[in-house]
Amino acid sequence: DGGITQSPKYLFRKEGQNVTLSCEQNLNHDAMYWYRQDPGQGLRLIYYSQIVNDFQKGDIAEGYSVSREKKESFPLTVTSAQKNPTAFYLCASSIDGLAGGPTDTQYFGPGTRLTVL
Amino acid sequence: RKEVEQDPGPFNVPEGATVAFNCTYSNSASQSFFWYRQDCRKEPKLLMSVYSSGNEDGRFTAQLNRASQYISLLIRDSKLSDSATYLCVVNPASGGSYIPTFGRGTSLIVHP
Repeated sequence: DGGITQSPKYLFRKEGQNVTLSCEQNLNHDAMYWYRQDPGQGLRLIYYSQIVNDFQKGDIAEGYSVSREKKESFPLTVTSAQKNPTAFYLCASSIDGLAGGPTDTQYFGPGTRLTVL
Repeated sequence: RKEVEQDPGPFNVPEGATVAFNCTYSNSASQSFFWYRQDCRKEPKLLMSVYSSGNEDGRFTAQLNRASQYISLLIRDSKLSDSATYLCVVNPASGGSYIPTFGRGTSLIVHP
């Protein structure tokens, strides 16, 4: 059964801690993305990767880091430098990365809700 | 000006009503357009793509107006289950990459 999985579903972090959110896909998609969604707000792009071992900053990359060592995996680390990390984090993938076209659609994982205590 | 703008609503309509949402975009070079549906506390799911000629899927019709730079979504015969937030997504062309830009969403509440 192909899809995108994110774990954990809920995550609680103390101030000053780094946490890593997992995102795995078995769709054989080249491109993967991380978004943040705050209540009543749209999705804001944190990082994206169009190919293994390469990734680009999105609109709000400060305080976050990513890696793309495998095609299937794109973990996101929320560092202590991120001042307001409480949010809903969504991972997505699309079929083509560098060869991608404008009609590529994104498929989303179920999301991780991060709360800072 | 925001790249993609939507009226946040909520649009409060009775079952059976017809309701329409618009979404405006600022980048005239945008190549493709989509509507996603997002239920409360869930991930967005693709509802439909929007083509130049317009497209229809059951009770849902999407239209693109390139001259005025907006897309629309029409829902006929609204069901209670249509209650959700509808996100407009635009793929602008930028240096050969197509990174989607999301609107904030329009909230729809269908009541009995």
